[in-house]
Amino acid sequence: EPEVTQTPSHQVTQMGQEVILRCVPISNHLYFYWYRQILGQKVEFLVSFYNNEISEKSEIFDDQFSVERPDGSNFTLKIRSTKLEDSAMYFCASRSGTPAETQYFGPGTRLLVL
Amino acid sequence: RKEVEQDPGPFNVPEGATVAFNCTYSNSASQSFFWYRQDCRKEPKLLMSVYSSGNEDGRFTAQLNRASQYISLLIRDSKLSDSATYLCVVNGGATNKLIFGTGTLLAVQP
Repeated sequence: EPEVTQTPSHQVTQMGQEVILRCVPISNHLYFYWYRQILGQKVEFLVSFYNNEISEKSEIFDDQFSVERPDGSNFTLKIRSTKLEDSAMYFCASRSGTPAETQYFGPGTRLLVL
Repeated sequence: RKEVEQDPGPFNVPEGATVAFNCTYSNSASQSFFWYRQDCRKEPKLLMSVYSSGNEDGRFTAQLNRASQYISLLIRDSKLSDSATYLCVVNGGATNKLIFGTGTLLAVQP
């Protein structure tokens, strides 16, 4: 069964450093998402991406965040200057196209900012 | 009012028990509803979509009441492997972003 993959599984970084989280969505999917989950809290929407551009972003997704689909397979989330409060699990998700279609989640990247 | 509200639990039940989870959502324009399951430190996985007519998948039954903006999940004959956090999820807006509740923790005891 096709699945969303994410790398790395864990990342430890110093405050102020840049991190890039990588995702490979399911190959025929058209819509891509990033979510985050701070430990002990709910899953929160960050950004949606379609047709090579951001279609919606949340208040969390400020100027420190950016997304890119640099080639036909990868979908990346960059945090330019990490803060302690960026420590969380980051999930990538993708779906094929119809509105009610399931979003499939990757296994996540656990980011720890020291 | 929170966009999606759930009782956080925990629900501690013996094997074989029937357990019900409830959820309310605030946006009456929401069109799609789901129950996801999340194991500790893992990604959310779709358990089932929720339809107005109600739907069943084996031991799991989901119901939607649009008038009350209320979603439920019933698990019959609980198994140890059902222990997880159950997330009530609503599709929010044109981009179909998912809006999650805080989740309800279920612990099935032997």
